[in-house]
Amino acid sequence: GDSVTQKQGQVTLSEDDFLFINCTYSTTTYPTLFWYVQYPGQGPQLLLKVTTANNKGISRGFEATYDKGTTSFHLQKASVQESDSAVYFCALNTGANTGKLTFGHGTILRVHP
Amino acid sequence: NAGVIQTPRHKVTGKGQEATLWCEPISGHSAVFWYRQTIVQGLEFLTYFRNQAPIDDSGMPKERFSAQMPNQSHSTLKIQSTQPQDSAVYLCASSLGGKNTGQLYFGEGSKLTVL
Repeated sequence: GDSVTQKQGQVTLSEDDFLFINCTYSTTTYPTLFWYVQYPGQGPQLLLKVTTANNKGISRGFEATYDKGTTSFHLQKASVQESDSAVYFCALNTGANTGKLTFGHGTILRVHP
Repeated sequence: NAGVIQTPRHKVTGKGQEATLWCEPISGHSAVFWYRQTIVQGLEFLTYFRNQAPIDDSGMPKERFSAQMPNQSHSTLKIQSTQPQDSAVYLCASSLGGKNTGQLYFGEGSKLTVL
């Protein structure tokens, strides 16, 4: 079945540091890939999505490239802020027009001022 | 635009009791999803509806869990004979569908605690 792996359970940074969150996926079809972000007390919200291999998604300073060769969709940001502290989920959707997502386990990002 | 509304936000039940969780999706969204979130398992898909019809309940524990969508503005998730392992945050999400497939709008969740 489909799966998403996020190796890092937690990442701790200082403001203005570079962010890299690892995400790899496994599927037998051609997925759409997503990053969702969850702030305390809220449900996850869409950060960015990419539907086509080799394309890059960009939102609010975050970016991720759909790399079909390495089956990866790593999340990056050049300079994090304390307000970026949250849980980040990588996800994929392979069900044709179903919207059913398979999520990674999530990576907690803590940014210190 | 109110977003997805879930009630109650917190529910505490005793082992063996029933729990019913409610979800009001965003008006105009054709798909409604239920997910369960725990520290150990993360975000798990339970079930979803499209245009009120049940489409996929492959994530639902078969014996005690049931979900319904009696009208386009309301879905419920019912858990009978609750067990401590049912303790989790239950998240409802809705989606426009079509080209926005996968763009889910989540509610704030209902935190269920089974004592």
